[in-house]
Amino acid sequence: DGGITQSPKYLFRKEGQNVTLSCEQNLNHDAMYWYRQDPGQGLRLIYYSQIVNDFQKGDIAEGYSVSREKKESFPLTVTSAQKNPTAFYLCASSLTSVLQGEQFFGPGTRLTVL
Amino acid sequence: GIQVEQSPPDLILQEGANSTLRCNFSDSVNNLQWFHQNPWGQLINLFYIPSGTKQNGRLSATTVATERYSLLYISSSQTTDSGVYFCAVERGSNFGNEKLTFGTGTRLTIIP
Repeated sequence: DGGITQSPKYLFRKEGQNVTLSCEQNLNHDAMYWYRQDPGQGLRLIYYSQIVNDFQKGDIAEGYSVSREKKESFPLTVTSAQKNPTAFYLCASSLTSVLQGEQFFGPGTRLTVL
Repeated sequence: GIQVEQSPPDLILQEGANSTLRCNFSDSVNNLQWFHQNPWGQLINLFYIPSGTKQNGRLSATTVATERYSLLYISSSQTTDSGVYFCAVERGSNFGNEKLTFGTGTRLTIIP
């Protein structure tokens, strides 16, 4: 079954802790993306990667880090430097790495900082 | 960067009614997508439509790139159509590497 999976679905963390969100795709897509969504808002781009071992900052990269060691995987780490990390995080992928092409989204991870 | 405005912000309709959602954007685009976000947060692809008209069942979309707007039509609404509809665009560029910019969405509520 082809698609994008994200885990966990819900995540709780204490202030000051780093946490890593998982994103895996088996669509053989080159490009992958991380977005953040706050209540009542649209999505904002955190980081994106057009090819393995390469990634670029999006609009709100501060306090986040990523890696792209495998084509299928693009994990996002929310660090303690992120001032307001409670949000809904969505991962996406697209086939092409040049003109981005149609993006497809995973089911999301809801992160709550206690 | 490119600006994306969606209207109306909220829409409440009776089951069976038709609706039109609008997306205006401030620059030329290479990519325009319409998504439906269901109550569980999942973003479902509706249309990839940088220009022209497409139809899929009760839904259709038209993008007039030269006038910088797109319309999403929903006919014979059902309660399962409820949720937030997002328009997202990628600014036109000869170099690629442009990001997808989202509007703030239209919240549609269908009443039985």
